[in-house]
Amino acid sequence: NAGVMQNPRHLVRRRGQEARLRCSPMKGHSHVYWYRQLPEEGLKFMVYLQKENIIDESGMPKERFSAEFPKEGPSILRIQQVVRGDSAAYFCASSPGVGTGVYEQYFGPGTRLTVT
Amino acid sequence: QKEVEQNSGPLSVPEGAIASLNCTYSDRGSQSFFWYRQYSGKSPELIMFIYSNGDKEDGRFTAQLNKASQYVSLLIRDSQPSDSATYLCAVKGYGGSQGNLIFGKGTKLSVKP
Repeated sequence: NAGVMQNPRHLVRRRGQEARLRCSPMKGHSHVYWYRQLPEEGLKFMVYLQKENIIDESGMPKERFSAEFPKEGPSILRIQQVVRGDSAAYFCASSPGVGTGVYEQYFGPGTRLTVT
Repeated sequence: QKEVEQNSGPLSVPEGAIASLNCTYSDRGSQSFFWYRQYSGKSPELIMFIYSNGDKEDGRFTAQLNKASQYVSLLIRDSQPSDSATYLCAVKGYGGSQGNLIFGKGTKLSVKP
């Protein structure tokens, strides 16, 4: 029973390059969330997606960041023209769905992005 | 601004003792509450969730929720050195931000053998 999968686990990019982070949700889960954790900081919500839809991107920086969850394939978080301040751990979580009940989010192992 | 507050610690307890971790939240409309454990360099692991006032027990863990006081806690009985980690309290958003979790900065727990 595979959990949430993320790749790559570690990514090094030079300033100005693009970073692409991938996330495959748990089997049976159709909702994906991306969070960022800066060193010594808490986890911060970035974006919430369902297949082919962005539901909430209120935590996403307005520039350089984008996310998608296509009909086929993993969810992708894309960071263009990376800067040193983007160095962080990026976690993906998935859940079965949302509604009036409680839907737990399960986290993947994360991608550690280092910008040099 | 919705906030979740935790004492950063470190909280140090001897092996076998009860560890008590506390969390307060600012949004009175919050409905669902989660505790995650995060080992250094690893991802958060869900250990408990609660959405009704009162206590919820699962093995050595008990989550307690008091919505009137906007307070949620986690008790770890018979603490083990392997419980040493950072414990994150999270509150699920509602309404327009129904999906995301709002996290506290975490309490670092150290269980001494």
